[in-house]
Amino acid sequence: ETGVTQSPTHLIKTRGQQVTLRCSSQSGHNTVSWYQQALGQGPQFIFQYYREEENGRGNFPPRFSGLQFPNYSSELNVNALELDDSALYLCASSTGVGGSPGELFFGEGSRLTVL
Amino acid sequence: GEDVEQSLFLSVREGDSSVINCTYTDSSSTYLYWYKQEPGAGLQLLTYIFSNMDMKQDQRLTVLLNKKDKHLSLRIADTQTGDSAIYFCAETAGRDDKIIFGKGTRLHILP
Repeated sequence: ETGVTQSPTHLIKTRGQQVTLRCSSQSGHNTVSWYQQALGQGPQFIFQYYREEENGRGNFPPRFSGLQFPNYSSELNVNALELDDSALYLCASSTGVGGSPGELFFGEGSRLTVL
Repeated sequence: GEDVEQSLFLSVREGDSSVINCTYTDSSSTYLYWYKQEPGAGLQLLTYIFSNMDMKQDQRLTVLLNKKDKHLSLRIADTQTGDSAIYFCAETAGRDDKIIFGKGTRLHILP
């Protein structure tokens, strides 16, 4: 067990709706990264937060947004949901940005289905 | 660009060695990783190698890095049924050191 918890574990939304996914980092970790894993694919980097600031973003549109809180927990928000947003959303925490082995501790993910 | 390629499937008999291969594109990658994902679970870091190393061994796992060819491999000795999973190769990339994953190799263990 990694100490990273995500909620909810499963949810179903319809096209056009908005969703908020939550993540609690492992104790002592100040960096959180979000990944989207479509069925049969590897995780795709969405963005990373370090000490409450966005610190890098993948090739995702602005309707994907995030927050990191002072306790280093995090949210991923997706607006105007599309069918292709159906995926497993993984949160990963780590101890810092750059210069380290960058070991990511993953949660078990939130599985989003968009109908 | 940033891209990590790996074969999608590998079948190995129990007790044999498994070798999973990967190629990557970012020559500035500082670290390369192997992650394991079991069904219904998140990803677990198996091992990583720093880019100035050629080889790293950790119990049944051996990682080989050919930086000239941008080729990484993971060898699992004495493969067991518990090794059945999807194995992801990954590299650090870009100024923000984001980690880029391949599509994963599904390792199937034959009895």
